Amino acid sequence: GEDVEQSLFLSVREGDSSVINCTYTDSSSTYLYWYKQEPGAGLQLLTYIFSNMDMKQDQRLTVLLNKKDKHLSLRIADTQTGDSAIYFCAENSGYALNFGKGTSLLVTP
Amino acid sequence: GAVVSQHPSRVICKSGTSVKIECRSLDFQATTMFWYRQFPKQSLMLMATSNEGSKATYEQGVEKDKFLINHASLTLSTLTVTSAHPEDSSFYICSAGHSGANVLTFGAGSRLTVL
Repeated sequence: GEDVEQSLFLSVREGDSSVINCTYTDSSSTYLYWYKQEPGAGLQLLTYIFSNMDMKQDQRLTVLLNKKDKHLSLRIADTQTGDSAIYFCAENSGYALNFGKGTSLLVTP
Repeated sequence: GAVVSQHPSRVICKSGTSVKIECRSLDFQATTMFWYRQFPKQSLMLMATSNEGSKATYEQGVEKDKFLINHASLTLSTLTVTSAHPEDSSFYICSAGHSGANVLTFGAGSRLTVL
């Protein structure tokens, strides 16, 4: 995952918005993804965005894509304690995915 | 939706033994499956691409004789860790893509602990 960079930690209060940022390097990526991983579990696809879009909203989740800067962000509105997890952004490299190291989100009451 | 099942979810074995992990696509056919490895607090690293009916494609640095991959049917790929050593202890996750889909579905992972 060295080509996909994420900050490692983020702490927010319950009810606030969380913004997790990611930069990637492969300009040929067709899709960019956000996955959620809870402790000891596999990966759950949260959302993905096609590379010719700059925004996608899905309920509490908003994805922003700046293709020029190769910057992707995930905003979680009204963050809940159940949102505490590790969030991975990923770019598709051919058919496989190339992951960042994950951002550990801690939501405090 | 597409479901990928992995078995076992946890396995503990002695050093020197071999362990097989299964990855099944439950409601779709997958000509290609991917095996990832995740160390604690690390990202997922692609180990190999499993192709149905042909040899797997391994990423650089991954020993193909140690991590045997068999993709004998359109719904099953297996990863066998041969002569396991403690440094092979890790979380192994498989994924599969439904033909024509834009996303990969991941299994729940298999945690291997080698004593």
